[in-house]
Amino acid sequence: KAGVTQTPRYLIKTRGQQVTLSCSPISGHRSVSWYQQTPGQGLQFLFEYFSETQRNKGNFPGRFSGRQFSNSRSEMNVSTLELGDSALYLCASSWNGNPYNEQFFGPGTRLTVL
Amino acid sequence: DQQVKQNSPSLSVQEGRISILNCDYTNSMFDYFLWYKKYPAEGPTFLISISSIKDKNEDGRFTVFLNKSAKHLSLHIVPSQPGDSAVYFCAASAESNFGNEKLTFGTGTRLTIIP
Repeated sequence: KAGVTQTPRYLIKTRGQQVTLSCSPISGHRSVSWYQQTPGQGLQFLFEYFSETQRNKGNFPGRFSGRQFSNSRSEMNVSTLELGDSALYLCASSWNGNPYNEQFFGPGTRLTVL
Repeated sequence: DQQVKQNSPSLSVQEGRISILNCDYTNSMFDYFLWYKKYPAEGPTFLISISSIKDKNEDGRFTVFLNKSAKHLSLHIVPSQPGDSAVYFCAASAESNFGNEKLTFGTGTRLTIIP
C-alpha cells in the first residue's frame, strides 16, 4: 500500500507570494492533518480535515487555509508569505482521525521564504 | 504556550546502553500519549503509545512510562542500537468537543547512539 505523498518536496518563494501544498493520503484514509515543523517549536498542528470538512484548527493566522477533496486528497494554502513561514510542512493521514488509530506522515514539503 | 515539553534537545548514548527520553506536559486533559521517531528527510513514524489508564507499555526494546501525578512520561530504549539515532517527538491528545483529537507535539530530542 502506497504511503502518504506530498508535493512538491521543496519550494522557494518570496515574501508576499502565496503557495499551495498538496497531500495524498493512504488509500482508504479519510482524515488528513497538517503540521508545521520549525526548529525549536516542534510540530505545530495547523488543521485536520475529514470527509471534506475541517474538524479541528490550530492557532495559526487566517493566511493559512486548507481544503479536502472528495477523494480525500488535501491542499493547504498560505497567502502573503512571511519569512517566518519557512518551515517543513507535514501532512498525516489516518482512517478516521482518532489518535488511537495510527497517523501516517508524509515526507513533508520544505518551504523557504526569501 | 508549550503544553508538551521535551527539555533535552539532544542526548548521546553508548550502543548497548539504555536511552531514556523525557517529556513533560501541562494539560491535565491529555489522556493519550505517543512517541514518534523521525529520520532526516522523512516524516515522523509512530513508535509506541500509552493511554492515561496505564502507567507502562512495552513493545520490544521500547517501553513508555507514564506518571500522571507528575505529568511526566519517558521512553526507554534497551539496548540502544545505532539505527535508533533519530529525533524523537513526544505527543499528546485530549478528546475535543467533536470526539476527535489533534496531536500536540513536543519540540523533539535528537538521540545519537555512539558505536
